[in-house]
Amino acid sequence: ETGVTQSPTHLIKTRGQQVTLRCSSQSGHNTVSWYQQALGQGPQFIFQYYREEENGRGNFPPRFSGLQFPNYSSELNVNALELDDSALYLCASSHGGAYQETQYFGPGTRLLVL
Amino acid sequence: RKEVEQDPGPFNVPEGATVAFNCTYSNSASQSFFWYRQDCRKEPKLLMSVYSSGNEDGRFTAQLNRASQYISLLIRDSKLSDSATYLCVALGGNQAGTALIFGKGTTLSVSS
Repeated sequence: ETGVTQSPTHLIKTRGQQVTLRCSSQSGHNTVSWYQQALGQGPQFIFQYYREEENGRGNFPPRFSGLQFPNYSSELNVNALELDDSALYLCASSHGGAYQETQYFGPGTRLLVL
Repeated sequence: RKEVEQDPGPFNVPEGATVAFNCTYSNSASQSFFWYRQDCRKEPKLLMSVYSSGNEDGRFTAQLNRASQYISLLIRDSKLSDSATYLCVALGGNQAGTALIFGKGTTLSVSS
């Protein structure tokens, strides 16, 4: 196991609602990246946090926001949920500062928006 | 054009077969490349990194051709347990941070 945990494992929301997903990084890792994986697609990069600062963002609207805490755990918040937000949300932790550092994924949170 | 493109398959092969997956990437600034394996309804797991010199790990061989912006994965002597989706990944060269850019994945089904 990678030591990366995510909660909750599954979630059902309705359109317009807001959701918060959580990720605990592997011990010793200071970087967390979030990805969205729609059915039949590869994961897509949402954003990355390094030492509590956003360190890069993919092509996602501002209603996707995040946070990293001093213990390097992280949250992904999505406001005004849309049906297309239904997906597997993955977080990955790594030790930042090393360009080729391996990213280790958590088990993901499955979000269904009705 | 997608940044990382791979043949989605599915590839259906018998046990013992050799199978090759191909992948192309569009961003010449990408520096690092990986193959991840993803089992149904599970998270992606690193299978192997890909280096310019090529690298081998048991039955798996990965190759990188920077001139053609092409990556390959060869699986020899396929096992039933190799059935999964294989994701070709480039470490983003034009995004801040170290974003992994994934292809859609290639599905492999190995049968007895």
